[in-house]
Amino acid sequence: GQSLEQPSEVTAVEGAIVQINCTYQTSGFYGLSWYQQHDGGAPTFLSYNALDGLEETGRFSSFLSRSDSYGYLLLQELQMKDSASYFCAVRDGDDKIIFGKGTRLHILP
Amino acid sequence: KAGVTQTPRYLIKTRGQQVTLSCSPISGHRSVSWYQQTPGQGLQFLFEYFSETQRNKGNFPGRFSGRQFSNSRSEMNVSTLELGDSALYLCASSSSAVDTEAFFGQGTRLTVV
Repeated sequence: GQSLEQPSEVTAVEGAIVQINCTYQTSGFYGLSWYQQHDGGAPTFLSYNALDGLEETGRFSSFLSRSDSYGYLLLQELQMKDSASYFCAVRDGDDKIIFGKGTRLHILP
Repeated sequence: KAGVTQTPRYLIKTRGQQVTLSCSPISGHRSVSWYQQTPGQGLQFLFEYFSETQRNKGNFPGRFSGRQFSNSRSEMNVSTLELGDSALYLCASSSSAVDTEAFFGQGTRLTVV
């Protein structure tokens, strides 16, 4: 079957760096997206990788390795406001959109 | 510009009833997709519409249906509601069917009792 796997929870300290991994198993692949969702809020787009490599947007970076079916989201200089759930998502070869179950990021002061 | 608007925000229905949820995408966006979000299952893809045509459908029973109008507004309908349909229903809009960035609405919280 098709699936995206990401850790259910990650804990990090304010000011530190954290990496959230996502591995995917899909029939075909267009690209990997990342979304952030605060409690009670709507998911908001963070990044998209279609090609291998690292994409940087401010404190957030996203990496993709198509050969390993793997990507990660890197958050630097963590702030308390980064406490949220992070989802990876794939548009697969059947053009369907699949989301991971989300990683809850806890930030300690 | 205005974001994605979903109505209503909250809804309580009884088992066996039907419900219609509405989504107004960002102006100019022609693609609308719907998702069901529950604590245990995360975000699950329901369907995607582009220019009034259903492009894709997730693995949900036929009780779940939708449509898109010429102004890109979309509705989804759930008939014969079950307790398990209680969830947050999210709508997202994109500028094209293969757009990489989706903008989500605040969702409709449906509770079935």
